Amino acid sequence: NAGVMQNPRHLVRRRGQEARLRCSPMKGHSHVYWYRQLPEEGLKFMVYLQKENIIDESGMPKERFSAEFPKEGPSILRIQQVVRGDSAAYFCASSPQTGDLREAFFGQGTRLTVV
Amino acid sequence: AQTVTQSQPEMSVQEAETVTLSCTYDTSENNYYLFWYKQPPSRQMILVIRQEAYKQQNATENRFSVNFQKAAKSFSLKISDSQLGDTAMYFCAFRARSGTASKLTFGTGTRLQVTL
Repeated sequence: NAGVMQNPRHLVRRRGQEARLRCSPMKGHSHVYWYRQLPEEGLKFMVYLQKENIIDESGMPKERFSAEFPKEGPSILRIQQVVRGDSAAYFCASSPQTGDLREAFFGQGTRLTVV
Repeated sequence: AQTVTQSQPEMSVQEAETVTLSCTYDTSENNYYLFWYKQPPSRQMILVIRQEAYKQQNATENRFSVNFQKAAKSFSLKISDSQLGDTAMYFCAFRARSGTASKLTFGTGTRLQVTL
């Protein structure tokens, strides 16, 4: 049973380009969370999605950031017109379909570098 | 809103010794979970131990145990017989059990160095 898969592991973008980060949750998981970790800081919640629905986006910046979790395929975190301050590690976590909150399995993260 | 505070940015312990990492939190929720995650240099977030707030008994996982004081909103992690492989960042996290507030709220972390 594969864990949470994130790709790419490393992504370099020039200022103004778009970044697309992908997350495939564990098998049987339909709840996906995205977190951002700035250097030397803890993880900060961005958005919580279920299949085809955004449940909580209270941590998402108002502009340039969007997320989706389609019926088929991985969850996508999209950052448009990236700036240097977007450089961070982005983690995805998934929880079971039952909504069991005792478990949250993390992917290995995508490190985004904006040059 | 929940907050999680880790007041020790860095800690050091000798191999085979015991170390305690501190964590306090603030919430108006009554039902919640508390977690300790380990993040080694590989960046992978690894669940170390979990405590359910309605359980009075402190959780234990092999060399890892917690001291959960619900009234004081304190949740410290004790690592016994420290090993070199325990060197990592450790994050305390909170998760409400109700409604849509199921996101994890993390502290800023404690960097633990285990030395020979």
